[in-house]
Amino acid sequence: KNEVEQSPQNLTAQEGEFITINCSYSVGISALHWLQQHPGGGIVSLFMLSSGKKKHGRLIATINIQEKHSSLHITASHPRDSAVYICAAWQRGAQKLVFGQGTRLTINP
Amino acid sequence: DAGITQSPRHKVTETGTPVTLRCHQTENHRYMYWYRQDPGHGLRLIHYSYGVKDTDKGEVSDGYSVSRSKTEDFLLTLESATSSQTSVYFCAISPQVGAAYGYTFGSGTRLTVV
Repeated sequence: KNEVEQSPQNLTAQEGEFITINCSYSVGISALHWLQQHPGGGIVSLFMLSSGKKKHGRLIATINIQEKHSSLHITASHPRDSAVYICAAWQRGAQKLVFGQGTRLTINP
Repeated sequence: DAGITQSPRHKVTETGTPVTLRCHQTENHRYMYWYRQDPGHGLRLIHYSYGVKDTDKGEVSDGYSVSRSKTEDFLLTLESATSSQTSVYFCAISPQVGAAYGYTFGSGTRLTVV
């Protein structure tokens, strides 16, 4: 079992739908990152959070430390949101980032 | 001015040949990382560097070597490429190690070993 698990692995939705991507982790962490990777493109950081909730535009990230779970939400989804979304946990003991496998999101017009 | 660039972006090479990928940064960050990305796996750490001439192995370092002779450049070498090393390689940089410091990633190098 991976230390960081994402679900779903693939998600297809219609433009305008509310999107939720989940990330669960089994290790002790100090922070969790959400990253975005467009097809053929590089990886960019969306959020880094260690508690509570952060919002940037239509993107919202939440984390529940007790339940070892984080979610990334996209409101009013748009085809340009189509990308792979990756969560990565900063593992407290090993002092390293552990990556989930990614969620491939496709938003159809 | 991306702050971090990888070269080449794409490469096709034959089994058994040596290959070197370059990561160049203009941010003066201390930490540099090489990852590979494969279907069904998260990003996996190959090697990392915590300073000039200071490097260490990651979880999938077999078949790879690295060098960092100056702050801005981190080279990844496949001494004798194999088909299992076909992958997308990402370089990342960070100013310090720790939960509070994010990573900046390069655009990736797609390597095909035939």
